[in-house]
Amino acid sequence: EVQLLESGGGLVQPGGSMRLSCAASGFNLSRQTVIWVRQAPGKGLECVSGISGTGGGTYYADSVKGRFTVSRDKSENTLYLQMNSLRAEDTAVYYCAKGNIDYFSSRNFFDSWGQGTLVSVAS
Amino acid sequence: QSVLTQPPSVSGAPGQRVTISCTGSSSNIGAHYDVHWYQQLPGEAPKLLISGNSNRPSGVPDRFSGSKSGTSASLTITGLQSEDEADYYCQSYDNSLSIFYVFGTGTKVTVL
Repeated sequence: EVQLLESGGGLVQPGGSMRLSCAASGFNLSRQTVIWVRQAPGKGLECVSGISGTGGGTYYADSVKGRFTVSRDKSENTLYLQMNSLRAEDTAVYYCAKGNIDYFSSRNFFDSWGQGTLVSVAS
Repeated sequence: QSVLTQPPSVSGAPGQRVTISCTGSSSNIGAHYDVHWYQQLPGEAPKLLISGNSNRPSGVPDRFSGSKSGTSASLTITGLQSEDEADYYCQSYDNSLSIFYVFGTGTKVTVL
């Protein structure tokens, strides 16, 4: 059974840093596209970052480019999102989601989601 | 700000049919990229509902159906049930974005 489990959220001050983890089981994270999607309180879904299974190419939304870094640990089968220079507008529940294709394809959809972890940026 | 536009809300009585639209442009739906739909129940993570415009994953009731035409797509719920009260999001691929994957603005379905 495919499972994704996010952790690492919490309260952080503006300008601070935080690292989120997404532990995967039931599939090889290095062989599938996985994305980070966030949802601000009462708002919709926004894809902020992703990593291609094949080749490990990384991708970022303009809203986080230069501040967030996605990476993976093959031995731990875990995805990370390092978030620096955090702003109030980064406050959201962050989900990781697994794609059905191993590269950043136009045909990707996301068939498994974690339960999410809440990041609150406030002083 | 999403490039896929959905109505903020739709409602219907039990047993009725409701349709949610998802309007895009030439860089996403109009470029012949597939549209997928997700259901988000209150307090839960999104769940894949429709893939590849009209395909239901195993376990999704057949009262949910999807279609696509031109720069728009639609999700139809036929025979609305109380457990269908949720938020619904479309998703596609956009070749003008650095992140490529885009979600719609979301639609709240209320069962009267």
